[in-house]
Amino acid sequence: EVQLVESGGGLVQPGGSLRLSCAASGFTFSSYWMHWVRQAPGKGLVWVSRINGDGGSTHDADSVKGRFTISRDNAKNTLYLQMNSLKAEDTAVYYCVSQGGGYYDEFDYWGQGTLVTVSS
Amino acid sequence: QSVLTQPPSVSGAPGQRVTISCTGSNSNIGTGHDVHWYQQLPGAAPKLLINGNNNRPSGVPDRFSVSKSGTSASLAITGLQADDEADYYCQSYDTSLSGYWVFGGGTKLTVL
Repeated sequence: EVQLVESGGGLVQPGGSLRLSCAASGFTFSSYWMHWVRQAPGKGLVWVSRINGDGGSTHDADSVKGRFTISRDNAKNTLYLQMNSLKAEDTAVYYCVSQGGGYYDEFDYWGQGTLVTVSS
Repeated sequence: QSVLTQPPSVSGAPGQRVTISCTGSNSNIGTGHDVHWYQQLPGAAPKLLINGNNNRPSGVPDRFSVSKSGTSASLAITGLQADDEADYYCQSYDTSLSGYWVFGGGTKLTVL
């Protein structure tokens, strides 16, 4: 059974940092592209970042470019999101998502999400 | 404002057929990129409902189907059931500027 379990969310002040983790199991983690998708309270889904299977290629949404860094440790089957210079508008549930194929394939598995709240 | 446009809400009675539209542009759906659909039940994480090739994950009934034409796509649900009540999101890939993955704003389905 595929499982994606996020952790690391919490309350942080504006300008602060947080690192999210996503522990993956039940599939060949290194063969999958991985993404972070977020959902602000009461709002829709927004793509944040993507990393390819070996971690050599990443891609970020303009809204987080230069502030967020996606990475992965295939030996630990874990995905990360380092979030710096956090803003109030980064407040959201962050989902770890797998994508089995390339650019055009579906997001096949989603974690349960971890809530990040940026507030003073 | 989302790159893909969905109606905020749709509704139908049990047993009826409803459709949810997803309108994009020539930089996403119009280029031929697949449109995938996700279901988010109340208080839960989204999950893949059906991909752009009409393939459904195990456990998803064939009451759900998709179609696409030009710069738009649609999700059809037949034989509406109470537990279909959820938010539905379309998703594709956009090749404008640096390229990125895009979602619709979501549609709340209410079963009357």
